[in-house]
Amino acid sequence: EAGVTQSPTHLIKTRGQQATLRCSPISGHTSVYWYQQALGLGLQFLLWYDEGEERNRGNFPPRFSGRQFPNYSSELNVNALELEDSALYLCASSPGGPYQPQHFGDGTRLSIL
Amino acid sequence: KQEVTQIPAALSVPEGENLVLNCSFTDSAIYNLQWFRQDPGKGLTSLLLIQSSQREQTSGRLNASLDKSSGRSTLYIAASQPGDSATYLCAVRPDRGSTLGRLYFGRGTQLTVWP
Repeated sequence: EAGVTQSPTHLIKTRGQQATLRCSPISGHTSVYWYQQALGLGLQFLLWYDEGEERNRGNFPPRFSGRQFPNYSSELNVNALELEDSALYLCASSPGGPYQPQHFGDGTRLSIL
Repeated sequence: KQEVTQIPAALSVPEGENLVLNCSFTDSAIYNLQWFRQDPGKGLTSLLLIQSSQREQTSGRLNASLDKSSGRSTLYIAASQPGDSATYLCAVRPDRGSTLGRLYFGRGTQLTVWP
């Protein structure tokens, strides 16, 4: 069974640009979660999507947004990139609901120059 | 707001030692607690998950305990090996309210086991 897959592996952008990160969940999983792991800050919760709807959002500005498609894959969009957005972005998936164990992908490394 | 703290931040030991990693959390209203392993530049691998009603879980050389009322968990690693070198993360899942779905993570313990 394929795990959670994220693309691209690495992404290099400049300040002010937009970045799009993609995540494919494990087959049968309907929930997708996004986390940011910035150097020195630890893992911070960004977004939770379940059945195509945004269910919860962490303490991030509105320029961080996303969506979930009918096949349960997800995109994370970051607009007006800032230097501090440089981080490893991890996606996780689970069967539906807030209590199922989350399975993580290997992440997308976003570097802002 | 839930805060998770892990001690020590880093640990370097010779092969064969038994290890103790500590995790504490401020809000005892948790559904479960999970220990993860993260290798450099990689995602998270789940090691052990303890439900709030449980006291401990074991998998091979790993044993995790949970004292929910005092807000503490401990991960024991027996007979450490160089392949155990990684960052170990503790995460708690709230059981109610506006924080449903999210995991709260500690900053991790970076473990190095040398031959």
